[in-house]
Amino acid sequence: DIQMTQSPSSLSASVGDTVTISCRASLGVGSDLGWFQQKPGKAPKRLIYAASIFQSGVPSRFTASGSGTEFTLTISSLQPEDFATYYCLQHNNYPYTFGQGTKLEIK
Amino acid sequence: EVQLVESGGGLVQPGGSLRLSCAASGFPFSAYWMHWVRQVPGKELVWVSRINSDGTTTNYADSVKGRFTVSRDNAKNTLYLQMNSLTADDTAVYYCARGLWDYWGPGTLVTVSS
Repeated sequence: DIQMTQSPSSLSASVGDTVTISCRASLGVGSDLGWFQQKPGKAPKRLIYAASIFQSGVPSRFTASGSGTEFTLTISSLQPEDFATYYCLQHNNYPYTFGQGTKLEIK
Repeated sequence: EVQLVESGGGLVQPGGSLRLSCAASGFPFSAYWMHWVRQVPGKELVWVSRINSDGTTTNYADSVKGRFTVSRDNAKNTLYLQMNSLTADDTAVYYCARGLWDYWGPGTLVTVSS
């Protein structure tokens, strides 16, 4: 199975800060990677697909890049609604696998 | 408006069975692959299963292979997950999701306990 390792596991930041979340795959997954945001008690929401293509409606303060084994999600000028848990997901090989999540908390 | 709504969750004893449903509306259901994803409350997301658009191809996580069966009824716009031989480790919120995970249902909680 392909292991997806996110770092950091948790992150404390302030409104207005810029943060970067990394996702590393144990084997190359091409660009078959998505990023998701999840708030407590809610279903995940897709932010990014194909490693860098934005879901419609996602604010431009979110950027994403990467391919193969290294991927990043950057959130600039953090807004209060951005504090949530973020997951990456590879869908290049079965079984599809999520990262363990990065919890972004308000400092 | 695209909607996915799961149902069928609840409390079941270890070794028991449960069938989850995911009712889809607002899009051509028969054109999309569908997935099941689960999450123990407070823990990470785990992909469970996928079925192709006409139901002829399925894939499973190793942890559920041989016990869970995904199926669909395109005439009823409904996705199913038949879960057998349930254990406490299957306790989770189960979500259905469309295609490349662009839409998700709100989830249904399955609790396996005696």
